[in-house]
Amino acid sequence: QKEVEQNSGPLSVPEGAIASLNCTYSDRGSQSFFWYRQYSGKSPELIMSIYSNGDKEDGRFTAQLNKASQYVSLLIRDSQPSDSATYLCAVSGGSNYKLTFGKGTLLTVNP
Amino acid sequence: DGGITQSPKYLFRKEGQNVTLSCEQNLNHDAMYWYRQDPGQGLRLIYYSQIVNDFQKGDIAEGYSVSREKKESFPLTVTSAQKNPTAFYLCASSIAGQGFYEQYFGPGTRLTVT
Repeated sequence: QKEVEQNSGPLSVPEGAIASLNCTYSDRGSQSFFWYRQYSGKSPELIMSIYSNGDKEDGRFTAQLNKASQYVSLLIRDSQPSDSATYLCAVSGGSNYKLTFGKGTLLTVNP
Repeated sequence: DGGITQSPKYLFRKEGQNVTLSCEQNLNHDAMYWYRQDPGQGLRLIYYSQIVNDFQKGDIAEGYSVSREKKESFPLTVTSAQKNPTAFYLCASSIAGQGFYEQYFGPGTRLTVT
C-alpha cells in the first residue's frame, strides 16, 4: 500500500514569515510529485509539480525533492493571509496514472 | 475558457436512491478521474479512465459505477449499495501519456444522503 504522510498541523505562521510544509512517501518508484492548495469548501488547485531532485522555484513557492530520503517539501516565502489553506501533497508512480494523496496540512497565516 | 465543470454543486438524496454526478471537460484531456474526499481525509480514487470506452477501478470503487462514452464526459453514479455516500466528490483530468500526470480538478459536488 503506497502511503503519503504529511506533517499533521495545523501550522500557524505570522504574515511575512516562511511556511514550511513537509511530506514523505513510501514508494521508492515514485516519479512525480505535486503540491495542491485547497481553500475551505473548494476543490484542490495545483500550485507546484516537481520531478527531479533539487529545488524548483515559482514566485514565492519553492518545492524541494530528495528521492533518496523519500521526502518532498514546499516552502512559502513572505506568507500572506491569502495563503491560509490546506496543502495536499500528491505522489505518482511511474507505471500508471494514479495519484496518492496525503491528508493535508492546514496552514494559517496570521496578519 | 478551458476547464472542468461539475454539476450540481450540491445534491441531496434519500437513502436507497441512485444518483448521477456530472463531469465535463473541454481541456482535450484523455484521462479523467473521480475522487472522494471526507472531512479531515485525503482524496481517495474511485474510478479512472485513460481513454474513451475504457475505465479502471480505483481504491474504493464498491457502490459506484462510471461510463466513458465521450472524451469530454465521465459521469459517476453513486448507487444504493454505497454504504456511506455523503462526501465531497471531485472530478479531475490530465493529459495521458506525457509521463508526468498533472491532474486538474473541477469545482466538486457535495452529496448529502439522508
